[in-house]
Amino acid sequence: GAVVSQHPSWVICKSGTSVKIECRSLDFQATTMFWYRQFPKQSLMLMATSNEGSKATYEQGVEKDKFLINHASLTLSTLTVTSAHPEDSSFYICSARKTGSGYSNQPQHFGDGTRLSIL
Amino acid sequence: SQQGEEDPQALSIQEGENATMNCSYKTSINNLQWYRQNSGRGLVHLILIRSNEREKHSGRLRVTLDTSKKSSSLLITASRAADTASYFCATDRGTYKYIFGTGTRLKVLA
Repeated sequence: GAVVSQHPSWVICKSGTSVKIECRSLDFQATTMFWYRQFPKQSLMLMATSNEGSKATYEQGVEKDKFLINHASLTLSTLTVTSAHPEDSSFYICSARKTGSGYSNQPQHFGDGTRLSIL
Repeated sequence: SQQGEEDPQALSIQEGENATMNCSYKTSINNLQWYRQNSGRGLVHLILIRSNEREKHSGRLRVTLDTSKKSSSLLITASRAADTASYFCATDRGTYKYIFGTGTRLKVLA
């Protein structure tokens, strides 16, 4: 169990368009999901924590209006990159942690990532 | 930056050899985890070690944790070509927000 599906896996679009990325927990409920950004050959940088039914918590330096996060259900979080520009090109990865007590020492489960290329 | 450091940054070994990579972090932690990432893919969880544990095994993996030195090591024994990947440590301070290390790129030559 603990499968996280991320879609799309790859997207190329023109500068100025908005792109939506979905992150779904397929076989468990996730009150909290996380969105990361990864540049080539670098580590993962946490962008924001997505909370079901409430506003996301953004890390310092991440533009809230640029990266819109919605967590409308216990199995789905979406990240929308608004008015994307070439500098937004990156690899975006989501993760989810199981909801409920007893999960304090449980790993996060990661999606396969989305490679975003803005022309 | 709160990001952890890993060394070496890159490691190239022959199949059958052991691979050791190290992770250092900066703050007290609840647990530390190791993940593997194949090129262009998401992360696969390998092993979690709690702050009150010193060593843990899983198959060919052995993880140690020294909280006094704020460091951990991952040993992969009898490496295989399929182990070629990037390996990251991630620390959890109990807030469920992970801080990832800089990663070690392992290449296992057949």
